[in-house]
Amino acid sequence: DAMVIQNPRYQVTQFGKPVTLSCSQTLNHNVMYWYQQKSSQAPKLLFHYYDKDFNNEADTPDNFQSRRPNTSFCFLDIRSPGLGDAAMYLCATSRDHSGAAYEQYFGPGTRLTVT
Amino acid sequence: SQQGEEDPQALSIQEGENATMNCSYKTSINNLQWYRQNSGRGLVHLILIRSNEREKHSGRLRVTLDTSKKSSSLLITASRAADTASYFCATRSGSARQLTFGSGTQLTVLP
Repeated sequence: DAMVIQNPRYQVTQFGKPVTLSCSQTLNHNVMYWYQQKSSQAPKLLFHYYDKDFNNEADTPDNFQSRRPNTSFCFLDIRSPGLGDAAMYLCATSRDHSGAAYEQYFGPGTRLTVT
Repeated sequence: SQQGEEDPQALSIQEGENATMNCSYKTSINNLQWYRQNSGRGLVHLILIRSNEREKHSGRLRVTLDTSKKSSSLLITASRAADTASYFCATRSGSARQLTFGSGTQLTVLP
């Protein structure tokens, strides 16, 4: 039973061509996260949503945007991908109840290639 | 800045042996979590230990936490080839919802 689904699993885009990655969840969690992970590195948080409240990390480039139209879906938009944006993009969810954050549930990731 | 540093960066052992990975962090935490990542896949949550806990077990996993030393260790007993993966510690501090991940340990279990 898939809980956090990411589509597509592999995405190839051209330098400068906008691309959108999608994430959906069946857990009804109120928090959704987007991470960027480059080879042999730790996941790096880009931003997260607490319900509809968007929280951007200070060092996330303006080139990265996100949308969360409803509880189940969250999108990552890369407006003008550069070669340095090639990476695995991971979506995750968690409950957040009374300020206590629980474990995160990750999707399988989308591997982005920029040509 | 990265909160957690893991040691060793890579570990190779024979099937049946125990594997120990260590994580150090810099600031006070609410909880520390360990995740596993198989090559090219998402992360899977393994175990969470709260700041007021010192040790936790889950199956073949044993996690310890020493808040005075700002460190944690993950022990996998009787390792199997299927345990081959990268292991990350992650910490949550204060009222933050986000986790900060360590640099990871690549574990290889040889059959």
